[in-house]
Amino acid sequence: AQKITQTQPGMFVQEKEAVTLDCTYDTSDQSYGLFWYKQPSSGEMIFLIYQGSYDEQNATEGRYSLNFQKARKSANLVISASQLGDSAMYFCAMREGGGGSYIPTFGRGTSLIVHP
Amino acid sequence: EAQVTQNPRYLITVTGKKLTVTCSQNMNHEYMSWYRQDPGLGLRQIYYSMNVEVTDKGDVPEGYKVSRKEKRNFPLILESPSPNQTSLYFCASSRHQGRLGEKLFFGSGTQLSVL
Repeated sequence: AQKITQTQPGMFVQEKEAVTLDCTYDTSDQSYGLFWYKQPSSGEMIFLIYQGSYDEQNATEGRYSLNFQKARKSANLVISASQLGDSAMYFCAMREGGGGSYIPTFGRGTSLIVHP
Repeated sequence: EAQVTQNPRYLITVTGKKLTVTCSQNMNHEYMSWYRQDPGLGLRQIYYSMNVEVTDKGDVPEGYKVSRKEKRNFPLILESPSPNQTSLYFCASSRHQGRLGEKLFFGSGTQLSVL
Protein backbone atom coordinates (compact mmCIF):
# COMPACT_ATOMS: atom_id res chain seq x y z
CA ALA A 1 0.00 0.00 0.00
CA GLN A 2 1.19 3.48 -0.77
CA LYS A 3 2.26 5.51 2.23
CA ILE A 4 1.71 8.83 0.48
CA THR A 5 -1.24 9.31 -1.85
CA GLN A 6 -1.67 12.29 -4.11
CA THR A 7 -4.96 11.76 -5.92
CA GLN A 8 -4.73 14.71 -8.32
CA PRO A 9 -2.42 13.97 -11.25
CA GLY A 10 -3.07 17.45 -12.61
CA MET A 11 -4.58 20.69 -11.38
CA PHE A 12 -5.38 23.98 -13.09
CA VAL A 13 -5.79 27.34 -11.38
CA GLN A 14 -6.27 30.90 -12.49
CA GLU A 15 -3.52 33.35 -11.64
CA LYS A 16 -4.10 35.09 -8.28
CA GLU A 17 -6.51 32.40 -7.12
CA ALA A 18 -5.78 29.97 -4.27
CA VAL A 19 -5.31 26.27 -4.92
CA THR A 20 -5.19 23.20 -2.68
CA LEU A 21 -3.09 20.17 -3.53
CA ASP A 22 -4.18 17.02 -1.73
CA CYS A 23 -1.98 14.61 0.18
CA THR A 24 -3.03 11.74 2.40
CA TYR A 25 -0.64 9.51 4.27
CA ASP A 26 -0.60 6.18 5.98
CA THR A 27 1.46 5.48 9.07
CA SER A 28 1.13 3.76 12.40
CA ASP A 29 3.94 5.81 13.93
CA GLN A 30 3.06 8.62 16.31
CA SER A 31 6.13 10.58 15.28
CA TYR A 32 6.40 11.60 11.66
CA GLY A 33 7.15 14.60 9.50
CA LEU A 34 5.44 15.75 6.32
CA PHE A 35 7.09 17.72 3.56
CA TRP A 36 6.18 19.36 0.29
CA TYR A 37 8.65 19.82 -2.54
CA LYS A 38 8.28 21.71 -5.81
CA GLN A 39 9.79 20.64 -9.11
CA PRO A 40 9.62 23.32 -11.81
CA SER A 41 10.14 22.48 -15.47
CA SER A 42 13.88 23.04 -15.03
CA GLY A 43 13.92 19.84 -12.97
CA GLU A 44 15.40 20.79 -9.63
CA MET A 45 13.65 19.81 -6.40
CA ILE A 46 12.87 22.67 -4.05
CA PHE A 47 11.79 22.26 -0.42
CA LEU A 48 8.65 24.26 0.36
CA ILE A 49 7.25 23.46 3.79
CA TYR A 50 7.40 21.04 6.71
CA GLN A 51 4.87 19.89 9.32
CA GLY A 52 5.69 17.70 12.31
CA SER A 53 3.11 15.31 13.67
CA TYR A 54 3.21 16.98 17.08
CA ASP A 55 3.00 20.51 15.75
CA GLU A 56 -0.26 22.06 16.90
CA GLN A 57 -0.24 24.91 14.44
CA ASN A 58 -0.44 24.46 10.68
CA ALA A 59 2.86 25.31 9.04
CA THR A 60 3.09 28.42 6.87
CA GLU A 61 5.86 29.72 4.63
CA GLY A 62 4.92 32.86 2.76
CA ARG A 63 2.18 31.97 0.28
CA TYR A 64 2.39 28.30 1.20
CA SER A 65 0.48 26.75 4.06
CA LEU A 66 -0.05 23.18 5.07
CA ASN A 67 -3.58 22.19 6.07
CA PHE A 68 -2.76 19.42 8.54
CA GLN A 69 -5.67 17.24 9.62
CA LYS A 70 -4.17 14.53 11.76
CA ALA A 71 -7.32 12.50 12.35
CA ARG A 72 -7.94 12.33 8.62
CA LYS A 73 -4.26 11.75 7.90
CA SER A 74 -4.15 14.53 5.39
CA ALA A 75 -1.53 17.21 4.76
CA ASN A 76 -2.81 19.36 1.95
CA LEU A 77 -0.71 22.17 0.48
CA VAL A 78 -2.49 25.47 0.02
CA ILE A 79 -0.97 28.02 -2.32
CA SER A 80 -2.53 31.43 -2.00
CA ALA A 81 -2.53 34.05 -4.76
CA SER A 82 -1.13 31.72 -7.41
CA GLN A 83 1.55 33.03 -9.71
CA LEU A 84 2.63 31.83 -13.15
CA GLY A 85 5.89 30.68 -11.57
CA ASP A 86 3.96 28.25 -9.38
CA SER A 87 3.40 26.03 -12.43
CA ALA A 88 5.34 22.89 -11.50
CA MET A 89 5.13 19.35 -10.16
CA TYR A 90 4.49 19.15 -6.43
CA PHE A 91 5.47 16.21 -4.30
CA CYS A 92 4.28 15.32 -0.82
CA ALA A 93 6.69 13.29 1.30
CA MET A 94 6.82 11.75 4.76
CA ARG A 95 9.49 10.76 7.23
CA GLU A 96 8.39 8.29 9.86
CA GLY A 97 10.17 7.83 13.13
CA GLY A 98 10.71 4.51 14.85
CA GLY A 99 9.52 1.76 12.55
CA GLY A 100 10.01 3.94 9.47
CA SER A 101 13.64 4.57 10.35
CA TYR A 102 13.24 8.14 9.17
CA ILE A 103 13.51 7.10 5.51
CA PRO A 104 11.64 9.61 3.33
CA THR A 105 8.87 8.33 1.05
CA PHE A 106 7.26 10.33 -1.72
CA GLY A 107 3.89 10.52 -3.41
CA ARG A 108 3.47 10.38 -7.18
CA GLY A 109 3.12 14.10 -7.51
CA THR A 110 0.57 16.63 -8.76
CA SER A 111 1.18 18.76 -11.81
CA LEU A 112 -0.07 22.31 -11.28
CA ILE A 113 -0.65 24.68 -14.17
CA VAL A 114 -1.38 28.32 -13.45
CA HIS A 115 -3.30 30.13 -16.20
CA PRO A 116 -2.90 33.87 -16.77
CA GLU B 1 27.67 27.38 -1.17
CA ALA B 2 25.92 24.37 0.37
CA GLN B 3 25.02 21.98 -2.39
CA VAL B 4 24.67 18.49 -3.73
CA THR B 5 26.66 18.09 -6.93
CA GLN B 6 25.54 15.39 -9.30
CA ASN B 7 27.18 14.50 -12.61
CA PRO B 8 26.59 14.15 -15.45
CA ARG B 9 23.42 16.10 -16.11
CA TYR B 10 22.61 14.11 -19.22
CA LEU B 11 23.85 10.69 -20.26
CA ILE B 12 23.06 8.54 -23.27
CA THR B 13 24.50 5.05 -23.28
CA VAL B 14 23.94 1.62 -24.74
CA THR B 15 22.70 -1.54 -23.12
CA GLY B 16 25.34 -3.30 -21.06
CA LYS B 17 27.91 -0.53 -20.88
CA LYS B 18 28.80 0.10 -17.25
CA LEU B 19 28.31 3.63 -16.00
CA THR B 20 28.66 5.65 -12.82
CA VAL B 21 26.70 8.71 -11.78
CA THR B 22 28.58 10.71 -9.18
CA CYS B 23 27.11 12.54 -6.21
CA SER B 24 28.93 14.72 -3.75
CA GLN B 25 27.69 16.95 -0.94
CA ASN B 26 29.63 19.60 0.97
CA MET B 27 27.35 19.86 4.02
CA ASN B 28 28.77 17.00 6.09
CA HIS B 29 25.43 15.20 5.84
CA GLU B 30 25.10 11.72 7.26
CA TYR B 31 22.19 10.62 5.11
CA MET B 32 22.42 10.24 1.34
CA SER B 33 20.11 8.54 -1.10
CA TRP B 34 19.33 7.92 -4.75
CA TYR B 35 15.92 8.23 -6.36
CA ARG B 36 14.61 7.63 -9.81
CA GLN B 37 11.71 9.62 -11.18
CA ASP B 38 9.42 8.20 -13.81
CA PRO B 39 6.22 9.78 -15.17
CA GLY B 40 3.22 8.86 -13.04
CA LEU B 41 5.34 7.03 -10.48
CA GLY B 42 6.87 9.90 -8.55
CA LEU B 43 10.22 9.44 -6.83
CA ARG B 44 11.19 5.93 -5.91
CA GLN B 45 14.14 5.25 -3.70
CA ILE B 46 16.91 3.07 -5.10
CA TYR B 47 19.47 2.96 -2.29
CA TYR B 48 20.25 4.99 0.76
CA SER B 49 23.10 5.40 3.19
CA MET B 50 22.92 6.46 6.80
CA ASN B 51 26.65 7.01 7.11
CA VAL B 52 30.03 5.91 5.80
CA GLU B 53 30.11 2.22 4.92
CA VAL B 54 26.40 1.87 5.75
CA THR B 55 24.11 1.36 2.76
CA ASP B 56 20.74 -0.26 2.32
CA LYS B 57 18.26 -1.06 -0.41
CA GLY B 58 15.32 1.16 -1.16
CA ASP B 59 12.21 0.23 -3.07
CA VAL B 60 13.78 -0.40 -6.50
CA PRO B 61 17.41 -1.54 -6.03
CA GLU B 62 17.61 -4.16 -8.79
CA GLY B 63 20.28 -3.37 -11.35
CA TYR B 64 22.02 -0.73 -9.23
CA LYS B 65 24.98 -0.61 -6.87
CA VAL B 66 26.21 2.08 -4.52
CA SER B 67 29.12 2.66 -2.19
CA ARG B 68 29.79 5.11 0.63
CA LYS B 69 33.52 5.10 1.29
CA GLU B 70 33.63 8.77 2.18
CA LYS B 71 30.98 10.85 3.87
CA ARG B 72 30.69 13.32 1.03
CA ASN B 73 30.41 10.92 -1.92
CA PHE B 74 27.71 8.45 -2.86
CA PRO B 75 28.10 7.20 -6.44
CA LEU B 76 25.41 5.21 -8.24
CA ILE B 77 26.71 2.40 -10.41
CA LEU B 78 24.86 0.63 -13.19
CA GLU B 79 26.94 -2.44 -13.99
CA SER B 80 24.92 -3.48 -17.04
CA PRO B 81 22.34 -0.83 -17.89
CA SER B 82 19.12 -1.84 -19.61
CA PRO B 83 16.49 0.29 -21.38
CA ASN B 84 14.12 0.04 -18.40
CA GLN B 85 16.66 2.06 -16.42
CA THR B 86 16.06 5.04 -18.66
CA SER B 87 14.91 7.62 -16.12
CA LEU B 88 15.62 10.86 -14.30
CA TYR B 89 17.87 10.21 -11.31
CA PHE B 90 18.28 12.34 -8.22
CA CYS B 91 20.81 12.22 -5.46
CA ALA B 92 19.70 13.72 -2.15
CA SER B 93 21.20 14.26 1.27
CA SER B 94 20.20 15.42 4.71
CA ARG B 95 21.83 15.76 8.10
CA HIS B 96 20.94 13.77 11.18
CA GLN B 97 19.02 10.87 9.77
CA GLY B 98 17.33 10.34 13.12
CA ARG B 99 15.48 13.66 13.08
CA LEU B 100 12.08 13.92 11.47
CA GLY B 101 12.30 17.53 10.35
CA GLU B 102 15.42 17.24 8.24
CA LYS B 103 14.61 18.25 4.69
CA LEU B 104 16.35 16.70 1.73
CA PHE B 105 18.82 18.63 -0.38
CA PHE B 106 18.71 17.44 -3.97
CA GLY B 107 21.21 17.37 -6.77
CA SER B 108 20.21 18.83 -10.12
CA GLY B 109 19.33 15.42 -11.57
CA THR B 110 20.74 13.12 -14.23
CA GLN B 111 18.63 12.28 -17.25
CA LEU B 112 19.78 8.83 -18.34
CA SER B 113 18.82 7.22 -21.62
CA VAL B 114 19.79 3.59 -22.24
CA LEU B 115 19.49 2.56 -25.89
